[in-house]
Amino acid sequence: GAGVSQSPSNKVTEKGKDVELRCDPISGHTALYWYRQSLGQGLEFLIYFQGNSAPDKSGLPSDRFSAERTGGSVSTLTIQRTQQEDSAVYLCASSLSNSYEQYFGPGTRLTVT
Amino acid sequence: AQKVTQAQTEISVVEKEDVTLDCVYETRDTTYYLFWYKQPPSGELVFLIRRNSFDEQNEISGRYSWNFQKSTSSFNFTITASQVVDSAVYFCALRSFSSNTGKLIFGQGTTLQVKP
Repeated sequence: GAGVSQSPSNKVTEKGKDVELRCDPISGHTALYWYRQSLGQGLEFLIYFQGNSAPDKSGLPSDRFSAERTGGSVSTLTIQRTQQEDSAVYLCASSLSNSYEQYFGPGTRLTVT
Repeated sequence: AQKVTQAQTEISVVEKEDVTLDCVYETRDTTYYLFWYKQPPSGELVFLIRRNSFDEQNEISGRYSWNFQKSTSSFNFTITASQVVDSAVYFCALRSFSSNTGKLIFGQGTTLQVKP
C-alpha cells in the first residue's frame, strides 16, 4: 500500500516568508508526527496528533511554528516569518496508534536564504 | 529525563565483516519501547524493529540481530556478513509508555560504511 507522502520535496524560501509543508499519512493511521532533522540537532520531535487533536506540541521551537490536521488525515506544518535556522529536513511519520512503530515519509528539505 | 546515546559516530567495515552498533538509553519509566531505524543515502527512514521493555528475548531477522539487555540499558544491533547495501545511518530510538505521546527520542545516529 501507499506509504507516507510529503510535499513539496524541496522548498527554497527567502527569510521572512511563510511556508506550508504537507503530509499525507498512511490510510487508517490515527497517529501522526512531525520531526525535524538538521546537522547540528539530529532528529527532533515537533508535534504529535491523535486524530485531529494535538496532545503533545512540546517540540515546536517557537510560536512561528504551527500545525493542524484535518479529517484525521492530512496535516500541514506552517512556519511563519522563516529564519535561516529553520533550514532542515522536515519529516512526517504516522502509526496505527501511539503504541506502534512509526512509518516515515521522504521529508521536505527546507532551505531559507 | 530520557536520552539515547549512540557513541559510535562512524563505523567503516569491509564487506562480509560482522558489525555491531551500540545503543544505550536512559529512562525512569519501567515500561518503554525501543526502536531501530535505517536511513539510507536516499534519505527515507526505514523501520527495522520495535522491542518493548518487558520482552528481553533477543531477535534475529536474516542477517540482523538485536541484543536487548535491561541490566545495562542497552539495545545493540548486529549485522552479520555485512553488504554494501547496508551502508546507511542507523538510529536507535526510545519511546516512553507512560506519557500520552508517541514521540520518539532518537540517538545521534551511527553512520555505517561497508566497503566492497
